[in-house]
Amino acid sequence: EDQVTQSPEALRLQEGESSSLNCSYTVSGLRGLFWYRQDPGKGPEFLFTLYSAGEEKEKERLKATLTKKESFLHITAPKPEDSATYLCAVTKDSGGSNYKLTFGKGTLLTVNP
Amino acid sequence: EAGVTQFPSHSVIEKGQTVTLRCDPISGHDNLYWYRRVMGKEIKFLLHFVKESKQDESGMPNNRFLAERTGGTYSTLKVQPAELEDSGVYFCASSQAVKQFFGPGTRLTVL
Repeated sequence: EDQVTQSPEALRLQEGESSSLNCSYTVSGLRGLFWYRQDPGKGPEFLFTLYSAGEEKEKERLKATLTKKESFLHITAPKPEDSATYLCAVTKDSGGSNYKLTFGKGTLLTVNP
Repeated sequence: EAGVTQFPSHSVIEKGQTVTLRCDPISGHDNLYWYRRVMGKEIKFLLHFVKESKQDESGMPNNRFLAERTGGTYSTLKVQPAELEDSGVYFCASSQAVKQFFGPGTRLTVL
């Protein structure tokens, strides 16, 4: 069974204190790994898609990396507005255009000013 | 361009009643997904439409759940009769390809 495990469950940082979130996955035939950001009362907001080991993507203070077993979301010099729940999800080769996602439980990030 | 919209944002019903959730995807997106997050658990896949056709219903919990997508546009998810364990947040997402855009969700509370 496909599985996505995120750690830590919660992370509290001071503004400017860099850190990383982890996403470990077990899936046969990985088609893509996704990072989403979710604010309270809202739906997940797309951040990155990674397709193969060694791939990296960046957006502002965020950088996502991928290996064959896990992905990291690095946050450099975070600001209070980066506070949110960060979700990791994977999709496998199900055929056709079906990219159904298997999610982890998320990491709740709080950045204090 | 408008994003994915869902209605209602919140629904409180009693056990045994019927509730219908609606999702309007981004215009032109053929793929539409329903997901659910039960308290304390991860978001889980329910089903996938391509236009008006159901492609994958493997995540639907039981036959009390019925999803439709009229004319390949908006979709509805009906729960009849609702049970306590159906409480959670129901998300809809749409896509043209890999990247899925999520709606804000409908919070369903069954008392």
